[in-house]
Amino acid sequence: AQKVTQAQTEISVVEKEDVTLDCVYETRDTTYYLFWYKQPPSGELVFLIRRNSFDEQNEISGRYSWNFQKSTSSFNFTITASQVVDSAVYFCALEVLYGQNFVFGPGTRLSVLP
Amino acid sequence: ETGVTQSPTHLIKTRGQQVTLRCSSQSGHNTVSWYQQALGQGPQFIFQYYREEENGRGNFPPRFSGLQFPNYSSELNVNALELDDSALYLCASSFYTTGSGETQYFGPGTRLLVL
Repeated sequence: AQKVTQAQTEISVVEKEDVTLDCVYETRDTTYYLFWYKQPPSGELVFLIRRNSFDEQNEISGRYSWNFQKSTSSFNFTITASQVVDSAVYFCALEVLYGQNFVFGPGTRLSVLP
Repeated sequence: ETGVTQSPTHLIKTRGQQVTLRCSSQSGHNTVSWYQQALGQGPQFIFQYYREEENGRGNFPPRFSGLQFPNYSSELNVNALELDDSALYLCASSFYTTGSGETQYFGPGTRLLVL
């Protein structure tokens, strides 16, 4: 069975601070995909990144960066110089190839204060 | 803007009734998945349709059923509504090919309230 854990339920930071959202996953499959989604108050899930299990390179996109470590089954997400518009719930998710199943973590609510 | 639309945006039903929620996928996407998101929780996978056939199912009873049509639209039907069915229902479309994981694009959701 697959599982995604996001231990941080809520995080509050002041604008311009860096913040890291943790994600730990469990799967016995060797081929899988990891995702991060952002859910602003409007409710629509916004795709941020997809990473396959064979690519452990870290990725940077503007103020966003992701650290994938298979050794610790973690896929952490860092926002640099946070902004108020980053306030949302962030979900980490796992898809196992051929499983036709997509497992979301419980989410981390990020509040960026001005 | 993901190109995925859902209707209606909000819906109120009473316990025991039936409901149909609709989703229009991105053009060319052959896969649609439905999720239930209760307040304060992550989305829970209901089922997935690939080329108009059910391709996988989460831990939901048979009163949750679906259809996918050739024109990239799909439906989620829920019979005998229960109070716990109150949630945001999300559909997500993707293009799936063998050996490739799916990047799913989500619609804005339908918020269902069961009284």
